[in-house]
Amino acid sequence: GAGVSQTPSNKVTEKGKYVELRCDPISGHTALYWYRQSLGQGPEFLIYFQGTGAADDSGLPNDRFFAVRPEGSVSTLKIQRTERGDSAVYLCASSLGLQETQYFGPGTRLLVL
Amino acid sequence: QKEVEQNSGPLSVPEGAIASLNCTYSDRGSQSFFWYRQYSGKSPELIMFIYSNGDKEDGRFTAQLNKASQYVSLLIRDSQPSDSATYLCAVLSGGSNYKLTFGKGTLLTVNP
Repeated sequence: GAGVSQTPSNKVTEKGKYVELRCDPISGHTALYWYRQSLGQGPEFLIYFQGTGAADDSGLPNDRFFAVRPEGSVSTLKIQRTERGDSAVYLCASSLGLQETQYFGPGTRLLVL
Repeated sequence: QKEVEQNSGPLSVPEGAIASLNCTYSDRGSQSFFWYRQYSGKSPELIMFIYSNGDKEDGRFTAQLNKASQYVSLLIRDSQPSDSATYLCAVLSGGSNYKLTFGKGTLLTVNP
C-alpha cells in the first residue's frame, strides 16, 4: 500500500477483555514503531521493531502490553485485561531505517468501557 | 519532567499572517527535529525536519534551529484556514536514533 495502514480504525471493548491492534507498514520499511496518544497529548513511544525483533520495548506501560512482528512486516499490539486507562489512540509508524523519517498510520481509537 | 515543551495555545492568526510556533527541548544531545501537523481526529503528518543550526525553508514553511538555546521553531507564512491544526514538535534524542519524543502540540487557528 501507499502508506501505513492500521486495523481496526475503532475498537470498543469492555474492561478486562483482550484486544489486538494490527499495523501494516509501508512496503520496504524495516523499522516499525508503536506510539500511544491520549487526548490533548503528543504521541508517546511504546515499542520499536527493527526487522522481527523488538529492539526497544521500554515504553510499554506494563506486562499487559505485548507486541509482535513475526515476519518483519505486519505487527500486532496485544493488550490483555484491558483497563479504562488504556483508552487512547494507538499509532503505528514505519521508516526505512534508523534516523529516517517516521510515517504514521491513521491510528486505532481504543475505548475501554 | 517533560523533555519537549510547546505552548499549548490556542494560537489564533488572521488569514495571510505569519504563524510562529515554538518548541524547546531538554536533551542537549538531540540531533534531529521534526514538525508534524495533526488535524483533529487524524494522524500526525510530517511537515518538516531539520538537523543543522539555522533556517530551512520549504514553500510557506520555515524551520529554525538553535542548538545552543535548545530551541526549534516553525514559521508559516501567508497562513491559510487549511493550516488550522495542531502542530507537534518531535525530537530524536541523542541517546536514541529511533525514539521520537513529542511535545503536547500547539493548536493553531487561522481565521478567514
